[in-house]
Amino acid sequence: RKEVEQDPGPFNVPEGATVAFNCTYSNSASQSFFWYRQDCRKEPKLLMSVYSSGNEDGRFTAQLNRASQYISLLIRDSKLSDSATYLCVVNIGNNRKLIWGLGTSLAVNP
Amino acid sequence: NAGVTQTPKFRVLKTGQSMTLLCAQDMNHEYMYWYRQDPGMGLRLIHYSVGEGTTAKGEVPDGYNVSRLKKQNFLLGLESAAPSQTSVYFCASTERTSGNNEQFFGPGTRLTVL
Repeated sequence: RKEVEQDPGPFNVPEGATVAFNCTYSNSASQSFFWYRQDCRKEPKLLMSVYSSGNEDGRFTAQLNRASQYISLLIRDSKLSDSATYLCVVNIGNNRKLIWGLGTSLAVNP
Repeated sequence: NAGVTQTPKFRVLKTGQSMTLLCAQDMNHEYMYWYRQDPGMGLRLIHYSVGEGTTAKGEVPDGYNVSRLKKQNFLLGLESAAPSQTSVYFCASTERTSGNNEQFFGPGTRLTVL
């Protein structure tokens, strides 16, 4: 089993739709969790950290379920500019090494 | 403040040739990383460094060497390139004390080995 697993998609949604991605991780010692965004042929960039109590940043909501070992990302009112690959990322150590999922591809259509 | 820069952006090598990829960051970050990204494989850590003069192996270190002689620079070397090393290489850095572990990435180097 991969350490971090995501549905690769692609998710094709119309503008204004709400879309949710899930990600599961295998190491129960995982300490911190993140969603990164990667545009085509570009470098990954941090979208948001995921906190135990759940957190929201504008149209984006992230949640963590430690018992079931999954994290989620909800995007409301999708914009064309949200089209990208969303990478689920987990940190399991103190040396800042991150374990990366393969990403979920999102295409928002007009 | 340029952030993380990588040199070169593109390169084509023949099998057996050597080259060095340069990563530079101007954010005074302690930690630096080299990743490769391949279709269907995601980002895989090659080597990393937790400070000037220190390096450590990541998930896929074979065929690569690294050096961190200066805090702001992290070099990745390919001594004898192989077609399996065709990939996009990303460098990243992060603060030692950063609570959110945000890694800042360079724009990548696209390497093709023929």
